[in-house]
Amino acid sequence: NAGVMQNPRHLVRRRGQEARLRCSPMKGHSHVYWYRQLPEEGLKFMVYLQKENIIDESGMPKERFSAEFPKEGPSILRIQQVVRGDSAAYFCASSWTSGGETQYFGPGTRLLVL
Amino acid sequence: AQSVTQLDSHVSVSEGTPVLLRCNYSSSYSPSLFWYVQHPNKGLQLLLKYTSAATLVKGINGFEAEFKKSETSFHLTKPSAHMSDAAEYFCVVSVKAGNNRKLIWGLGTSLAVNP
Repeated sequence: NAGVMQNPRHLVRRRGQEARLRCSPMKGHSHVYWYRQLPEEGLKFMVYLQKENIIDESGMPKERFSAEFPKEGPSILRIQQVVRGDSAAYFCASSWTSGGETQYFGPGTRLLVL
Repeated sequence: AQSVTQLDSHVSVSEGTPVLLRCNYSSSYSPSLFWYVQHPNKGLQLLLKYTSAATLVKGINGFEAEFKKSETSFHLTKPSAHMSDAAEYFCVVSVKAGNNRKLIWGLGTSLAVNP
């Protein structure tokens, strides 16, 4: 049973470009969470999604950031018009149940904005 | 408000000596608590979790943690450190958010193991 998969593992973008981060949850998991980790800091919750629904986006910046989890395919975290401050590691986690307590994490995508 | 405080940002031990990573939490409810480990440039791995069963929780790689409600603590320990334990450790509390749950993360403790 494959774990949570994220790609790309590393992404380099220039200011103003778009970044698309993908996350495939563990098999059988229909709940996905996105977190951001800035250097020297812990993880900050961004958004919680179920298939085709955003359940909690209280941690998402109001502009440029969006997330989706379509019926088919991976969850996508999209950052438009990236700025240097978006440079961070972005982790995806999935769980089995609604608001599942045990979340299983992917290896992360490290975004560098030049 | 719920929060997690990891009392040490850096801990350094010698190989073969005990490890203690301290964590205090603040929660309005009986919390669920976790420790995660992150090795350099790697993802996050669940070490152990407490969900209102036994207060002493055993995890992987010889780690364990004790939930102490009176002290609102959930310190992580290991009797004998190994070089491979060098990593970043995060204490996490799971809190109710409406009908769902949300993870609140500590800032992390960097563990160095010296030969």
